[in-house]
Formats: sequence, structure tokens, C-alpha cells
Amino acid sequence: AQKVTQAQTEISVVEKEDVTLDCVYETRDTTYYLFWYKQPPSGELVFLIRRNSFDEQNEISGRYSWNFQKSTSSFNFTITASQVVDSAVYFCALSERSYGGSQGNLIFGKGTKLSVKP
Amino acid sequence: NAGVTQTPKFQVLKTGQSMTLQCAQDMNHNSMYWYRQDPGMGLRLIYYSASEGTTDKGEVPNGYNVSRLNKREFSLRLESAAPSQTSVYFCASSPWAQETQYFGPGTRLLVL
Repeated sequence: AQKVTQAQTEISVVEKEDVTLDCVYETRDTTYYLFWYKQPPSGELVFLIRRNSFDEQNEISGRYSWNFQKSTSSFNFTITASQVVDSAVYFCALSERSYGGSQGNLIFGKGTKLSVKP
Repeated sequence: NAGVTQTPKFQVLKTGQSMTLQCAQDMNHNSMYWYRQDPGMGLRLIYYSASEGTTDKGEVPNGYNVSRLNKREFSLRLESAAPSQTSVYFCASSPWAQETQYFGPGTRLLVL
């Protein structure tokens, strides 16, 4: 069955530290997509990245980087030189084809709450 | 471009009351979704609409109904609210299935 596990419930770091958020997924599909979303204290959900199952290249966007490894079914997210504004709950999500159709519903992990202290 | 909008932002209901949560998107997306978020649970899909004219159940559909009114609007109805439906409700849309979903600001619902 499809599942997303974010084992770290809460992480606390001091500003400028690097931090990695772990995401492990389970799927039977060979075609799927992985996502990261950020939920700041204000509550909205902000899209960060989408990666398809055929593209294992790591991605870097400013202080953010993502490491996708199919061999370990992981899609980890690293924030370099963390800042107070990075404090949020971060969700990893999986989208795959549903049975008999092409609807790609998002299956979310339970989220990791990151607190960055000044 | 407002993106995805939701009304109301906050609502208090008594057990047994009914209400409709409204969602609209102006991005010309085909697919729309309703999720609920409970503490420590992540987001769970209630219903979705792959395209105008179709709706399907998600993981937690009991106690809810939906209407895809047109391409822009997707409403969620609670016919007889229960305290277990206290949650934050998010609407989302995507161009097509498996593409990135964009979320509205959420509706906080408290059922007493």
C-alpha cells in the first residue's frame, strides 16, 4: 500500500545550522511523483518541489536541496544555513495512479515541525 | 490571480447543523480536491474531482458530500456536523492529475 513516513516529528536547530528532513515512501507503482510542501505558522501550504520517479538527479534551489534515492525509497530535504523564517511544518507527499484510473491523489506524511532558534 | 480561495475562513457549528464550504480557483485547473488536516495526522483526502462533472471519494469521505459546480468551483457539504469533523479543511487544485496541487488558505471548523 502507498505510504509516506516522516519519522522526525520535531526538530530544533540554531540559526545557521544545516538540517535534513527525512522522507521514506512506499509504492507499488513504477510511475509516481514526490512533493515537499511547507506550512508556516500562518497555516497556508506552500509548494516547494515536485520530482518524478524517473528523475533521480538531486536538486538545489538556493539554500534548499533534495536528495532522491529510489534504492532506499527516500526523498530527503536539506536546508543549509537555516534561518528563523524556515520555522514551519514540512510535509512530504506521494502521488501515484489510482487503480483503474489516472487520478494522482496526494498521500501525505504526518509532517516534521522545524524550529529554528536565533 | 487569486489562486485558490476558500470561504469561510473560520466557522463554529453546533452538532447536527449543516454547512457548505466553498472553494474556487482561477487558474483554469481541471482537478480539484478537498483535504482535512488534524493535529499529528498530516492531510487526508476527503473527495476529489478529476475534471468537471466527476467526483470521487478519497480516504475519509464519510459525513461529507461534494459538488463540482463548474470548472472553477468545488464545494464541500457537511449535512449533519459532528465533533469529529472539527478540523482544518483545505481545498486544492491542479492542472491535471499527478501535477502539482496548489492549496487554498484553509477553513477552520469547530463543531461543538
